[in-house]
Amino acid sequence: RKEVEQDPGPFNVPEGATVAFNCTYSNSASQSFFWYRQDCRKEPKLLMSVYSSGNEDGRFTAQLNRASQYISLLIRDSKLSDSATYLCFCGDNQGGKLIFGQGTELSVKP
Amino acid sequence: DAGVIQSPRHEVTEMGQEVTLRCKPISGHDYLFWYRQTMMRGLELLIYFNNNVPIDDSGMPEDRFSAKMPNASFSTLKIQPSEPRDSAVYFCASSFTDLGYTFGSGTRLTVV
Repeated sequence: RKEVEQDPGPFNVPEGATVAFNCTYSNSASQSFFWYRQDCRKEPKLLMSVYSSGNEDGRFTAQLNRASQYISLLIRDSKLSDSATYLCFCGDNQGGKLIFGQGTELSVKP
Repeated sequence: DAGVIQSPRHEVTEMGQEVTLRCKPISGHDYLFWYRQTMMRGLELLIYFNNNVPIDDSGMPEDRFSAKMPNASFSTLKIQPSEPRDSAVYFCASSFTDLGYTFGSGTRLTVV
């Protein structure tokens, strides 16, 4: 089993739809969690951190479920510009190294 | 801050040549990571440093790859000799403890 797993997709959704991605992690000691966005041929960029109580940033909501060991990203009212690959990163208990999934591809269509 | 700076942005080289990729992390960050990304294998961690010391190089594919961090503001990833299968985008990232990474724009390497 991979340490961090994501559904690779692609998720094809119409504009305005709500879409959710999950990311499961195997290390129960993981303490820090992040969602990154990667556009085609660009570097991954931090989208948002994931806090224990859940957090929201505009149309984006991130949640952590420690019991089931997964994090989620919810995108409401999706835009064409949301089309990208979304990667989850999880901090293990060894300092600064993050374990990451291989990404979920999202394609938002008009 | 200018972010993580990588050079060159693009590199085309012939098989057998030495290739050196460079990275300047964000000032004050204590971790530096080298990644490789291809369509087939996705994002792979090659090596990472903490306070200029290599911590884990288990992702380095073979002895042809080497990385150094002589000081807190500079790191290199060297491939000698290069092979066509090394063609990929190489990303450098830095972070302060476990507060999330900042990636550089990457070096797109093509070995012909």
